[in-house]
Amino acid sequence: AQSVTQLGSHVSVSEGALVLLRCNYSSSVPPYLFWYVQYPNQGLQLLLKYTTGATLVKGINGFEAEFKKSETSFHLTKPSAHMSDAAEYFCAVSGKSDNNDMRFGAGTRLTVKP
Amino acid sequence: KAGVTQTPRYLIKTRGQQVTLSCSPISGHRSVSWYQQTPGQGLQFLFEYFSETQRNKGNFPGRFSGRQFSNSRSEMNVSTLELGDSALYLCASGHRAGASYEQYFGPGTRLTVT
Repeated sequence: AQSVTQLGSHVSVSEGALVLLRCNYSSSVPPYLFWYVQYPNQGLQLLLKYTTGATLVKGINGFEAEFKKSETSFHLTKPSAHMSDAAEYFCAVSGKSDNNDMRFGAGTRLTVKP
Repeated sequence: KAGVTQTPRYLIKTRGQQVTLSCSPISGHRSVSWYQQTPGQGLQFLFEYFSETQRNKGNFPGRFSGRQFSNSRSEMNVSTLELGDSALYLCASGHRAGASYEQYFGPGTRLTVT
């Protein structure tokens, strides 16, 4: 079974500052890892994913995440925050099941201060 | 390709009534999953349908049910509505991309029970 833990339910940064959203996973099989973003009153949008291969994954809107097996982490970063990045971010993990075995973290709300 | 569509986007119902929500997945996707999202409980998995069969189910009471049609469109029904059923209901269209299972979300249906 897989699970993810997102550290920090709320993160606040200033515009132009580094964004770091933390995610740790637990999985008995090699994991597939995802970050989704949700803007108010909208569904979840896929930001990026890690399946195999390169451990540094680049996504949309300037975000990237690095898979670190030794630390069981998949933290999301962006060098310079923009006001439009304010949203809720969800980390998710899935395994090799044919079913939908995706498990989501509790989410981190990102606030960007001017 | 068109994205995932959900109808209606907003719904207000009274306690004790029933409600039906609809979801049309991305063309070619045969898996549809439903989630309930509330501020207190976060994102919770309701069930998954694949080729008209429920193949995965979360921990919700029997008042929550669903079905999938031959064109992959899915409906979710909640009977005997309770105040606690007020939530954003998200539908996700899923498919296997290589080795990983990926999901794409619709905009959601905001259900308010009064």
